Amino acid sequence: EAQVTQNPRYLITVTGKKLTVTCSQNMNHEYMSWYRQDPGLGLRQIYYSMNVEVTDKGDVPEGYKVSRKEKRNFPLILESPSPNQTSLYFCASSLAGGYTNTEAFFGQGTRLTVV
Amino acid sequence: AQKITQTQPGMFVQEKEAVTLDCTYDTSDQSYGLFWYKQPSSGEMIFLIYQGSYDEQNATEGRYSLNFQKARKSANLVISASQLGDSAMYFCAMREGKTGGFKTIFGAGTRLFVKA
Repeated sequence: EAQVTQNPRYLITVTGKKLTVTCSQNMNHEYMSWYRQDPGLGLRQIYYSMNVEVTDKGDVPEGYKVSRKEKRNFPLILESPSPNQTSLYFCASSLAGGYTNTEAFFGQGTRLTVV
Repeated sequence: AQKITQTQPGMFVQEKEAVTLDCTYDTSDQSYGLFWYKQPSSGEMIFLIYQGSYDEQNATEGRYSLNFQKARKSANLVISASQLGDSAMYFCAMREGKTGGFKTIFGAGTRLFVKA
């Protein structure tokens, strides 16, 4: 089954404790993204990757890191989480980026709470 | 700066009627794609419809159609014959080409309530 898998689904952590949210897709997609969803703000792109070893900042990259060592995986790293990073996070992938007719497939989301 | 504006935070529609969800966008890129996604209360994101900046015809997918007016930079979603299951959050998104750095931008969303 074609899917994007995020783990964990729920996470409560303390300020400053490094964490990683994993994202894996099995569709051989080139374009992968991380978003955070906050009420009234929609989804905001944190980082995206056009292909292996190619990553770029989205609109809200501060406090986050990513890597794309393999095509299927795109982990999101919070080196020192703060309460303002409490949010719902989505990973998404699509066959290609740009203006192509390639829909994004989303993971189920990770609800992160930083206390 | 590139952006997507959805001016209707919430909307009500009677079952079986049509509804239009507004979306305007701003970009200096000539090549971009416009997408609509649905997010039910369960939280998953569901792709509905796509319109490319070079497409001359409005996109249609079943009960969904996209009213694309390029000069006005609008990409409104039309849902015909609304059903109770259409109650959800709807997001308009734009994915830019090379000039825009291949970013993806979402609007703040419109919550649609379908009344029986």
